[in-house]
Amino acid sequence: DVKVTQSSRYLVKRTGEKVFLECVQDMDHENMFWYRQDPGLGLRLIYFSYDVKMKEKGDIPEGYSVSREKKERFSLILESASTNQTSMYLCASSSSLPAIEQYFGPGTRLTVT
Amino acid sequence: AQSVTQPDIHITVSEGASLELRCNYSYGATPYLFWYVQSPGQGLQLLLKYFSGDTLVQGIKGFEAEFKRSQSSFNLRKPSVHWSDAAEYFCAVLNQAGTALIFGKGTTLSVSS
Repeated sequence: DVKVTQSSRYLVKRTGEKVFLECVQDMDHENMFWYRQDPGLGLRLIYFSYDVKMKEKGDIPEGYSVSREKKERFSLILESASTNQTSMYLCASSSSLPAIEQYFGPGTRLTVT
Repeated sequence: AQSVTQPDIHITVSEGASLELRCNYSYGATPYLFWYVQSPGQGLQLLLKYFSGDTLVQGIKGFEAEFKRSQSSFNLRKPSVHWSDAAEYFCAVLNQAGTALIFGKGTTLSVSS
């Protein structure tokens, strides 16, 4: 069965902290994605990766970076967390491009205080 | 620019009644279209997708959607709603590069008894 897991369901961090959100997929998928979900705004793409060590900016990359050192793992990094990054973060993966079959993780709800 | 519009933020339907959730897209060529559902505290689950061919698409949980090119619409329907259908529903289109999904802002469905 397809599986995308995220390291935490809930996370509370302080302003200025460096935050790592981890995502792991067990489907040997080439492509992985980080989306941010906010009420009334839907989901917006932050970054995606189409191969190990390869990444592309999405619609809202400011304040974020990513790391993909292994095929199964895709990390989202908040270098210096701010309160406006309080949100739900969803990871997804797909086997190929075009990315028509995206599998989503359960999400991490991050609160920055 | 590509976009997806879900005109209804919140809809309430009586259990057993029919449901239609609206979705309009902006896209030059033939779009790849999707409907996802997110139950409270859960990740996104794919209900159905349209790429080409028959414009009436069947999905899981008794949902269907109809692609109408002339109206740039991809409305989701269900003939009889169950209380367990209460959730948030997202319409999405694959971007032109085929690398990520562009989501609408979502429609929250409440089911009354």
